[in-house]
Amino acid sequence: GAGVSQTPSNKVTEKGKYVELRCDPISGHTALYWYRQSLGQGPEFLIYFQGTGAADDSGLPNDRFFAVRPEGSVSTLKIQRTERGDSAVYLCASSLGFLSPLHFGNGTRLTVT
Amino acid sequence: GENVEQHPSTLSVQEGDSAVIKCTYSDSASNYFPWYKQELGKRPQLIIDIRSNVGEKKDQRIAVTLNKTAKHFSLHITETQPEDSAVYFCAARGNNDMRFGAGTRLTVKP
Repeated sequence: GAGVSQTPSNKVTEKGKYVELRCDPISGHTALYWYRQSLGQGPEFLIYFQGTGAADDSGLPNDRFFAVRPEGSVSTLKIQRTERGDSAVYLCASSLGFLSPLHFGNGTRLTVT
Repeated sequence: GENVEQHPSTLSVQEGDSAVIKCTYSDSASNYFPWYKQELGKRPQLIIDIRSNVGEKKDQRIAVTLNKTAKHFSLHITETQPEDSAVYFCAARGNNDMRFGAGTRLTVKP
């Protein structure tokens, strides 16, 4: 079946611009996670949704980052006033339940010039 | 939130030897511990996981052990093959978030 889909696969933007990254989870998966991964590092937790609500947003680095999941399916990660330090691969993952494995998308490679 | 530490950061073994990667976690309430393999430029893929009510789990050449008292868990790969070369990440599930270790780059030399 279809896996987790992330669009775009690559995004290049100028410093100061606004970007949106989209994640389509596996159908029926109620849990959705966003991570950020820099080269040579592990996935860094950003935010976790259970259904429509953000159950844990403690990983968002600052108020320039925001994520929504209005209908409990597709999620959008929004970054305002992008900085060069935001450049990374943004990974989305979904899971069936609390103790279920995470299934990752291919990620969006964000480059801020 | 949960804090996961992983070591070693790099590991090089000869084909056929065993490889062991160790992780510690901070949140005693954590109850789910998956391991992921990530090849260059690809997404992390689950290779094995363990729940807190189990001390050990094995799947062919891969095994994971969990010591809840000491808050550490380990990945064991036996009879390593060149295709096992990749970056391996451990993770621990706390109350809400799933936190990952920094990764171990495993190289299996033929």
